[in-house]
Parts: sequence; structure tokens; C-alpha cells
Amino acid sequence: SAVISQKPSRDICQRGTSLTIQCQVDSQVTMMFWYRQQPGQSLTLIATANQGSEATYESGFVIDKFPISRPNLTFSTLTVSNMSPEDSSIYLCSGSFGGSTDTQYFGPGTRLTVL
Amino acid sequence: GNSVTQMEGPVTLSEEAFLTINCTYTATGYPSLFWYVQYPGEGLQLLLKATKADDKGSNKGFEATYRKETTSFHLEKGSVQVSDSAVYFCALSGPNNDMRFGAGTRLTVKP
Repeated sequence: SAVISQKPSRDICQRGTSLTIQCQVDSQVTMMFWYRQQPGQSLTLIATANQGSEATYESGFVIDKFPISRPNLTFSTLTVSNMSPEDSSIYLCSGSFGGSTDTQYFGPGTRLTVL
Repeated sequence: GNSVTQMEGPVTLSEEAFLTINCTYTATGYPSLFWYVQYPGEGLQLLLKATKADDKGSNKGFEATYRKETTSFHLEKGSVQVSDSAVYFCALSGPNNDMRFGAGTRLTVKP
């Protein structure tokens, strides 16, 4: 298994600002992902974080709004840019060791509130 | 595309009652199926998984069987405890690395 940590655990931000969320894995994982969980809702995949190349975004999510970096096999960042109250959500990262149908291990999430 | 339909609840049970949370899926190919649990204020934890038809995943008294003929992966537990109170998510992972989640079912177990 993998243990995943995220920083910050929560934040309250002003409209129009940006926040970068860090995701650290305790071992090298093949795949890393970012999800959004809006209040009381299920998880929606934002993008797959690719090491050393541009992330692969799901429909409805764009790089300008959610730039992602993954410089190595244990670390990734997600930035939520030019925030609005609609961006208030929990953002979770996950990692898996390999194979497209392998288990994903999740971080504890970052709870973001935009005023 | 791939999708998961899950009994939304909320579900409220007394301690030691039997639990069933229904989950059906639509997918191309042969996805792996998962149940994740989210305790209050925490991230998702893998509860159990099954990777092929007729596989049974089990953990902590919970079980689910991968039924290809009915495209289902229902979660069951014979005797729930107060500590099982959480939100349960059914999910599938397909060949394009896209994990899709159900809506989640909030379970409350009363002593």
C-alpha cells in the first residue's frame, strides 16, 4: 500500500486568488490522480498527473484553471487558479502502483473554502 | 462510458443489523470493482476489491461479489457496528485509468 499526505489540510481563500495543494507519497507510484469532491457529493476525476509531462485532463477541467505538476514519482501539486466560491470543495490526490485497474490509495484531502 | 449507480441512502441501522448497499455498473471490457469507505473528516480508504467475474472481495466482515451477469457488486455485512458509520463508495477502474465513483451511501449505525 501507499501512504499519501496532502498540504494544506484546509484553507480559506479569497475570490480571485490561487492555491497550490501538495501531494506526497511515501513510495514511488506509477500513476497519480487528482479528484474533486464537492460538499455532500461523490468524487470527480480532474486529471491524471503524468511524470515529466503535461497532465491529462478530464472533460470540463482545463490546465489554465487547474495546473498540475509531477516532477517525480512521489510528488505532485495541483493549483486552483483564480478561485471563485464554486471552487469550494475537497481536493484529493491518489496514487497507484501500476496497471490501469490497480488500487488507488488516497490522501486525506484538502478542504478549500473560497469566500 | 463507464459509470456506477449506487443506492444513495442515507441508511440508518441498529447495531448488529444486516447491511446491504446496492451497486451496479456499466462498463466496456472487464473493469476492477472497488468499495471505498470515508470516515468523517478523512480521505477514502480501500475497503475491498475484486478484479474479475465471480471474485469475492472481503475485509473487516464486509463482502462483495463481482457479478458480471447482473453487472453488480453489492456490499454486505452480517452484523454492523457503530464504528461502521461512514460513507461508502462503489467504484470501478477501467483500462483508461479512469476510476469512476458512485454517489456514495451514508451509513449510520445506532447503538
